[in-house]
Amino acid sequence: DIQMTQSPASLSASLGETVTIECLASEDIYSNLAWYQQKPGKSPQLLIYDASSLQDGVPSRFSGSESGTQYSLEINSLQSEDAVTYFCQQHHDYPFTFGSGTKLEIK
Amino acid sequence: QVQLKESGPGLVQPSQTLSLTCTVSGFSLTSNSVHWVRQPPGKGLEWMGGIWGDGSTDYNSALKSRLSISRDTSKSQVFLKMNSLQTDDTAIYFCTRSGDGPFGDWGQGVMVTVSS
Repeated sequence: DIQMTQSPASLSASLGETVTIECLASEDIYSNLAWYQQKPGKSPQLLIYDASSLQDGVPSRFSGSESGTQYSLEINSLQSEDAVTYFCQQHHDYPFTFGSGTKLEIK
Repeated sequence: QVQLKESGPGLVQPSQTLSLTCTVSGFSLTSNSVHWVRQPPGKGLEWMGGIWGDGSTDYNSALKSRLSISRDTSKSQVFLKMNSLQTDDTAIYFCTRSGDGPFGDWGQGVMVTVSS
């Protein structure tokens, strides 16, 4: 199975700052990487797919990038509603696997 | 408008079988795949398996011996059956749609507790 190592597990930042969350794939997943946002008590919502494509309706302050098997989610101009949990997921090979999640808090 | 809604029992006894239904609307089951993902309380996400537009299925090998996913296209429903439930199967169970890879639409989830 492809392992997705997500870091950090938690992150604290101030409003307006830029934060970065990373996922390292255990093997090449050929950009088949998605990022999800999950609010408490809600289902995950797709933010980014194919490593860097923004899902319709997602604010442009969210962006994705890749370098080898390292994938990153950047959130610019942090807003209060961004203080939730984020997961990465590879959809290159079965079983599809998720990162362990990053909980983002506002200082 | 794409919608998915899970339904099923909230409580299942240990060693029993879990049966869940995902009722969908706004898209065709024959041209999309539907997957099941679960999340133990306060923990991460686990892909369980999915059924493709052609009716073929794929399962997480960790669950394959206990899991079955099927569908009824006439009713726009996808079914999950998992046997031999244990307490660590307690989780929120989500169904989710994939057009080509990522999961673009999700149901609200159904909480399933395994307890006697």
